Amino acid sequence: SAVISQKPSRDICQRGTSLTIQCQVDSQVTMMFWYRQQPGQSLTLIATANQGSEATYESGFVIDKFPISRPNLTFSTLTVSNMSPEDSSIYLCSVGNRGAYNEQFFGPGTRLTVL
Amino acid sequence: AQSVTQLDSQVPVFEEAPVELRCNYSSSVSVYLFWYVQYPNQGLQLLLKYLSGSTLVKGINGFEAEFNKSQTSFHLRKPSVHISDTAEYFCAVILTGGGNKLTFGTGTQLKVEL
Repeated sequence: SAVISQKPSRDICQRGTSLTIQCQVDSQVTMMFWYRQQPGQSLTLIATANQGSEATYESGFVIDKFPISRPNLTFSTLTVSNMSPEDSSIYLCSVGNRGAYNEQFFGPGTRLTVL
Repeated sequence: AQSVTQLDSQVPVFEEAPVELRCNYSSSVSVYLFWYVQYPNQGLQLLLKYLSGSTLVKGINGFEAEFNKSQTSFHLRKPSVHISDTAEYFCAVILTGGGNKLTFGTGTQLKVEL
């Protein structure tokens, strides 16, 4: 398994501002993902963070709103840009290695509240 | 596209009673199946997974699940729950050969009462 940390663990932000969330894993992994969990809802995949290239976004999510970086195999960031109250969610990073199946390990999440 | 349905949003149960959390999926191809647990204010933890082979899989904390292909179900069970099992439980699938994307169900809140 992998040990994953996220920073910050929670934040309260004003609308119109941006927040960058960091995800750090204790070993090299091929796959890193970002999920959103809105209040009382399930997890929705935002994008796959690709090392050395642009992230792959799911339908309904765009790079201008959720820019992602992945400079190496152990670190990624997700920025929530120009925030509105609708962006209030838990944002989770997950990691895994490419293979016949991908067992993903999840970070503790970042709880974001936008006022 | 695949989808995952968890029929019960909340399941209250008394301590030491058995519990079953239901999960059905739809997919035109074979899938891998997972159950994750999320304790309050924490990330997700893998409970168990079905990849192939025996349809009855055992996981951590005394949980088990049975894959039923004909009914496209993967229900989670525990014969005797503990107060510490109170958490949100998510069923999820990955398409075989279709990449590594997890599709989650809407979750079931298990509340164990004394």
